[in-house]
Amino acid sequence: GDKVKQSPSALSLQEGTNSALRCNFSIAATTVQWFLQNPRGSLMNLFYLVPGTKENGRLKSAFDSKESYSTLHIRDAQLEDSGTYFCAADLGFASALTFGSGTKVIPCLP
Amino acid sequence: EAGVTQSPRYAVLQEGQAVSFWCDPISGHDTLYWYQQPRDQGPQLLVYFRDEAVIDNSQLPSDRFSAVRPKGTNSTLKIQSAKQGDTATYLCASSFWGEDTQYFGPGTRLLVL
Repeated sequence: GDKVKQSPSALSLQEGTNSALRCNFSIAATTVQWFLQNPRGSLMNLFYLVPGTKENGRLKSAFDSKESYSTLHIRDAQLEDSGTYFCAADLGFASALTFGSGTKVIPCLP
Repeated sequence: EAGVTQSPRYAVLQEGQAVSFWCDPISGHDTLYWYQQPRDQGPQLLVYFRDEAVIDNSQLPSDRFSAVRPKGTNSTLKIQSAKQGDTATYLCASSFWGEDTQYFGPGTRLLVL
């Protein structure tokens, strides 16, 4: 089964609104990374997290290792936030990252 | 600082043909990873190196895939006899050993007809 489950799988993004993405881990994770993949396929680093929270502009992320989940919040969404967001965790398997299946964020035009 | 570079950016093959992908990691990064990303899925680890040594290649289809990093810098991933199921984007990433912050290259999009 999926060791890293991301939800939702897709999200319509209306400018100016707030959104929340989530990853649940079926086994203990030590660290989490969040990425944004643009339509050209490039993976951009957003956050690297040990348990705790980080904020960068309109993005905020949290990682709770005890409850085995991580969240990514987008505040005041803009069209440039579109793309596919991935979380990836170190689950202790050869110290490499295990990725979720992604959340596709699609702009919702007014 | 230059990021991770990969070439080629695209490849189109017939089944049975061979192809090689090349990766140049961020200067100084001792750990290099190869991932396979099928369409509409997350990246999946194939193999990774610390310097020139393979640390884990358990997810690499060993009968047709091979990867080397002979001098602990650049790396080559080769598919000996491609199948349609190999159609995917192949991503290279690098990091410092013991740090999980991985930086990804732009990927090579492979289409096997």
